[in-house]
Amino acid sequence: ETGVTQSPTHLIKTRGQQVTLRCSSQSGHNTVSWYQQALGQGPQFIFQYYREEENGRGNFPPRFSGLQFPNYSSELNVNALELDDSALYLCASTPRVQDQETQYFGPGTRLLVL
Amino acid sequence: SQQGEEDPQALSIQEGENATMNCSYKTSINNLQWYRQNSGRGLVHLILIRSNEREKHSGRLRVTLDTSKKSSSLLITASRAADTASYFCATELQGAQKLVFGQGTRLTINP
Repeated sequence: ETGVTQSPTHLIKTRGQQVTLRCSSQSGHNTVSWYQQALGQGPQFIFQYYREEENGRGNFPPRFSGLQFPNYSSELNVNALELDDSALYLCASTPRVQDQETQYFGPGTRLLVL
Repeated sequence: SQQGEEDPQALSIQEGENATMNCSYKTSINNLQWYRQNSGRGLVHLILIRSNEREKHSGRLRVTLDTSKKSSSLLITASRAADTASYFCATELQGAQKLVFGQGTRLTINP
């Protein structure tokens, strides 16, 4: 167990809808990253938040957005869902932005878009 | 696009044998990490090797890094059924605040 939790574990949405995924970081970790993992692929970096500010973004459209709260929990929001958004969404936390070395991953949220 | 390419994509061996997985990458890195994932669940960090290191051990794991060839290998010795999982290499790029993952090797240990 990494101490990182995610909710919900599974989610089914229809195309065009909006979804919010949640992540609770390990205690004391102020940096959280979100990854998308399509079936049979490796995770792809979506973005990172440090002290409530976005701190780096991957090649994802603006309809993928995030928030980090003062308690360092985080949300990933996806608007106008597309079929290709079906994937496992992983969050990972690290103790401080300078220490990128070990990221602690949550169990993920599996999203299915119909 | 993925930074790392892993080889082989799938590997099936008998319990007790050694398993070797390889990873190649394209650009300069700060470090390279290996993760394990069971049945599409969360990733578990296994080992990290920095760009100025050539070899690292952790229990039954041995990782090598050749920065001149931009490649790394993960060796699991004396494999067990519980080692069955997908294994991913991930590189932390210089000047970037993110990990870039390969597509993974699916390892099956047969009893």
